[in-house]
Amino acid sequence: TQLLEQSPQFLSIQEGENLTVYCNSSSVFSSLQWYRQEPGEGPVLLVTVVTGGEVKKLKRLTFQFGDARKDSSLHITAAQPGDTGLYLCAGNTGFQKLVFGTGTRLLVSP
Amino acid sequence: EAQVTQNPRYLITVTGKKLTVTCSQNMNHEYMSWYRQDPGLGLRQIYYSMNVEVTDKGDVPEGYKVSRKEKRNFPLILESPSPNQTSLYFCASSLLFGVDYTFGSGTRLTVV
Repeated sequence: TQLLEQSPQFLSIQEGENLTVYCNSSSVFSSLQWYRQEPGEGPVLLVTVVTGGEVKKLKRLTFQFGDARKDSSLHITAAQPGDTGLYLCAGNTGFQKLVFGTGTRLLVSP
Repeated sequence: EAQVTQNPRYLITVTGKKLTVTCSQNMNHEYMSWYRQDPGLGLRQIYYSMNVEVTDKGDVPEGYKVSRKEKRNFPLILESPSPNQTSLYFCASSLLFGVDYTFGSGTRLTVV
């Protein structure tokens, strides 16, 4: 079973700070997705990255796919309380399966 | 509105009493999947379906059944629930397998 390890597991920061979340695996993925999950709700897709080295920006969020397509990072600039949630990365193995990481729980305090 | 609808949202049941969690999507997606989410274990796939009448096991299929008689519906069946099936369950669908899932709001199941 492929594993996607996310770090850190928990992150508690003040509003306005920057942060980076990492998603690492020994496996190669055809694509990688990032989701955000809020309490009591299902994960919501933020972005999909497909090409090794690809960088995508979504307002204050920057997503990068590693050159070897084994890892990814999510960088948030000037975090806001609305960014609070569980961030999940998910890798497409190409075998009808999306493998999810264990998640990073982010708390942004005013 | 494009969505995946799960019912019920919350369910408390007793060991051995058969139950069904329904899942319906209105996006004409071919691919549907069930996950369970447990603390420290993340989201684990239970079953998935590539299309009508095509289903296959995920990573943790024991104790679960599914069916896909219509494209929009993908119910999860627990024939004889046990306490270790207490979890948060999510149904998801996508146009293509493994890409850009839309998730339901979840079903929190407690088996006592």
